[in-house]
Amino acid sequence: NAGVMQNPRHLVRRRGQEARLRCSPMKGHSHVYWYRQLPEEGLKFMVYLQKENIIDESGMPKERFSAEFPKEGPSILRIQQVVRGDSAAYFCASSPPSPYRGTGELFFGEGSRLTVL
Amino acid sequence: SQQGEEDPQALSIQEGENATMNCSYKTSINNLQWYRQNSGRGLVHLILIRSNEREKHSGRLRVTLDTSKKSSSLLITASRAADTASYFCATDAWEVTGGGNKLTFGTGTQLKVEL
Repeated sequence: NAGVMQNPRHLVRRRGQEARLRCSPMKGHSHVYWYRQLPEEGLKFMVYLQKENIIDESGMPKERFSAEFPKEGPSILRIQQVVRGDSAAYFCASSPPSPYRGTGELFFGEGSRLTVL
Repeated sequence: SQQGEEDPQALSIQEGENATMNCSYKTSINNLQWYRQNSGRGLVHLILIRSNEREKHSGRLRVTLDTSKKSSSLLITASRAADTASYFCATDAWEVTGGGNKLTFGTGTQLKVEL
């Protein structure tokens, strides 16, 4: 069973360019989460999606950031007109529907490290 | 803002010793989870404890949860050099927002186990 696949693992962009990060969840998982991690810090929640629906985007900056999880294909986190402050590691996690109240175990990808020059 | 705060921020011990990390949180929760992250890698789930549980074991790991104090601890017994990593607690808040929950991570404890 392949794990959560993220690509690219490393991405370098110049200020003003667009960054697209992809995440393929584990087979059978319908929930996808995106987190951002700055060096030496914890993970900051960005967005939670299910197939074709954004469930919670309370952690997403209002501008330049968007996320989707289409019926077919990977989840995409898109950052338009990147700035140096966007440099970070972006982690995707997936989970199956939880039979219990609340969120179960998350399975994380290895992350995409964005560097903005 | 961060839901969880780990304490200490960094911990250095000798191989064979026990390591204890603490996590405090602010709101009522459904469950609390602990994750491990090796440098430059993704997070790996270690253990999940539900709000109605007080203690849980998994191998060399022991987790306690005190909902009255809104705190949890992770104990790693007989530590090994391979346990060197960052450890994060994550909470799943009681309130359901828009039909789903999310995990909110703490700031992490960096554990170094020396030979």
